[in-house]
Amino acid sequence: EIVLTQSPGTLSLSPGERATLSCRASQSVSSSYLAWYQQKPGQAPRLLIYGASSRATGISDRFSGSGSGTDFTLTISRLEPEDIAVYYCQQYGSSPHSFGQGTNLEIK
Amino acid sequence: QVQLVQSGAEVKKPGASVKVSCEASGYTFTSYGITWVRQAPGQGLEWMGWISAYNGDTIYTQKFQGRVTLTTDTSTSTAYMDLRSLRSDDTAVYYCARKPQERAFDIWGQGTMVTVSS
Repeated sequence: EIVLTQSPGTLSLSPGERATLSCRASQSVSSSYLAWYQQKPGQAPRLLIYGASSRATGISDRFSGSGSGTDFTLTISRLEPEDIAVYYCQQYGSSPHSFGQGTNLEIK
Repeated sequence: QVQLVQSGAEVKKPGASVKVSCEASGYTFTSYGITWVRQAPGQGLEWMGWISAYNGDTIYTQKFQGRVTLTTDTSTSTAYMDLRSLRSDDTAVYYCARKPQERAFDIWGQGTMVTVSS
């Protein structure tokens, strides 16, 4: 089973700043089958990035993903108050399709 | 529009079973898989398993093997998650999500709260 470790656990930034979220896998993620989801309080998760770097339909270009192998990054440029959420990475290349524990993004 | 609509909240006693439904609309049901994810209160996301709506093939995570059954009804474009021998730590929101082949979970249901309590 691939274990995903996200860092930091909590990130507190000001509007307009850039957020960098990390996801490290315990073994290589096949074919970059790595996704990022955003979950706001009381809502279902929403797909942001798939294939490590492809934006899902309707997602702002402020969100970008990068990485391969075992190290992946989600970058949110020009933070807005609406970006307050928990962000999860997930690998879907091998079963079980594990999730990271999440990064809680706070806006100062 | 493309959407998944889940059944309503459930309260069950320990040892009972629960069956959550997930009705798809706005796309060809049999062209995608359906996956199930749960989230305990204040906790992260936990993947439970996947079913092909095309041929009924399933994959279950080992933790739930033998206790969960995923099925689909193509005549009504509905997927079902049946969880047996419920325990208090099964209390969670259960989500269904659409799984395109070789892609991530792109459409999610609204979630179903299952509470297990004596």
